[in-house]
Amino acid sequence: DAGVTQSPTHLIKTRGQQVTLRCSPKSGHDTVSWYQQALGQGPQFIFQYYEEEERQRGNFPDRFSGHQFPNYSSELNVNALLLGDSALYLCASSLNPGTGTNYGYTFGSGTRLTVV
Amino acid sequence: TQLLEQSPQFLSIQEGENLTVYCNSSSVFSSLQWYRQEPGEGPVLLVTVVTGGEVKKLKRLTFQFGDARKDSSLHITAAQPGDTGLYLCAGADGGGADGLTFGKGTHLIIQP
Repeated sequence: DAGVTQSPTHLIKTRGQQVTLRCSPKSGHDTVSWYQQALGQGPQFIFQYYEEEERQRGNFPDRFSGHQFPNYSSELNVNALLLGDSALYLCASSLNPGTGTNYGYTFGSGTRLTVV
Repeated sequence: TQLLEQSPQFLSIQEGENLTVYCNSSSVFSSLQWYRQEPGEGPVLLVTVVTGGEVKKLKRLTFQFGDARKDSSLHITAAQPGDTGLYLCAGADGGGADGLTFGKGTHLIIQP
């Protein structure tokens, strides 16, 4: 059973360019969250998608946008890249618990984005 | 804004020693999750604690959730080199839309 799959694994972009990162959730999961992890730091929540809609958003500018497809896969788009966007971008999936407690996420290995 | 503070930030000990990592916040969380991350990989879930005062054991790892659900600790007994990694605590607000708030992590190195 495949876990969370992210592509590409590494990416180098030039400042000002746009980038799209992709994520396939673990089988059976319907909720996808994206996190940014700078070197030596803990992950920071970007946003979460459920039923093809953005359900919750962290403190990130509008340059960061996303999409979820009917098969639950997701994309993260970043426009007008800045040097500070260089980080490991992690996708995490889970099964929506409704109003109950989320008992944890399955993370992918991430996409290492370098902006030069 | 909710914050989770982890301490210590770095810890290097000898194989066989015991250690405790702390995760503290001024905010109440509906649940607290502990993850372990190795270089070049995503975090892997170790445990989720939900009830105040809850204690969970995972082999040589013991996790505790504070009575007020604002803090947690991870205790490792007889640490082994395979325990080396970045340990992250993450709090969830509750409800279905649970963007996690992560601490900065504890970098743990176990010397053989």
